[in-house]
Amino acid sequence: DTGVSQDPRHKITKRGQNVTFRCDPISEHNRLYWYRQTLGQGPEFLTYFQNEAQLEKSRLLSDRFSAERPKGSFSTLEIQRTEQGDSAMYLCASSFSLAIGELFFGEGSRLTVL
Amino acid sequence: SQQGEEDPQALSIQEGENATMNCSYKTSINNLQWYRQNSGRGLVHLILIRSNEREKHSGRLRVTLDTSKKSSSLLITASRAADTASYFCATDYNNAGNMLTFGGGTRLMVKP
Repeated sequence: DTGVSQDPRHKITKRGQNVTFRCDPISEHNRLYWYRQTLGQGPEFLTYFQNEAQLEKSRLLSDRFSAERPKGSFSTLEIQRTEQGDSAMYLCASSFSLAIGELFFGEGSRLTVL
Repeated sequence: SQQGEEDPQALSIQEGENATMNCSYKTSINNLQWYRQNSGRGLVHLILIRSNEREKHSGRLRVTLDTSKKSSSLLITASRAADTASYFCATDYNNAGNMLTFGGGTRLMVKP
């Protein structure tokens, strides 16, 4: 069991550039979640997928954000035209729908927008 | 906005002492979970307590839940320096997809 993996772990970009993060969940997990965490705060829910279907999106997910999970396995989170306010840790988590309980988190992708 | 609020925001204790963190939430829940996060790392699940449970133990951890007061507490007994981390409560209030809503966390420092 390799756990949830995220790539890249760190990304520094200039304002206005596009960035993409990838998440590989635990293989048998059919649910995948994206959260955003700013310094000193708790994670905030962005969106989640069950298999390839995106079932819920937070109002935090502006038009510049898009998430996909094309084959129900890995997921990507793209931020277009980045702003300094997008600087945060982007956390991915996965779970199995028939199990009420814990989310398994990756180590996160830290984004710094200059 | 965040559903839960942890109290205190920061806690500093000596090794061997007990640490108590509290969490309050706003709406009815199906379960409440506690997670731990080391600096710069992902979150690790510690314990889950269902809405019909009042107390749960796991090793040195004890969690209580009072649904009438919409509050929970996490007690870490005989703390160790390795317990230094941020601790978050998370509530599952819609039972539709494990969409957890996290509080702001308690930053615990255990001094050796």
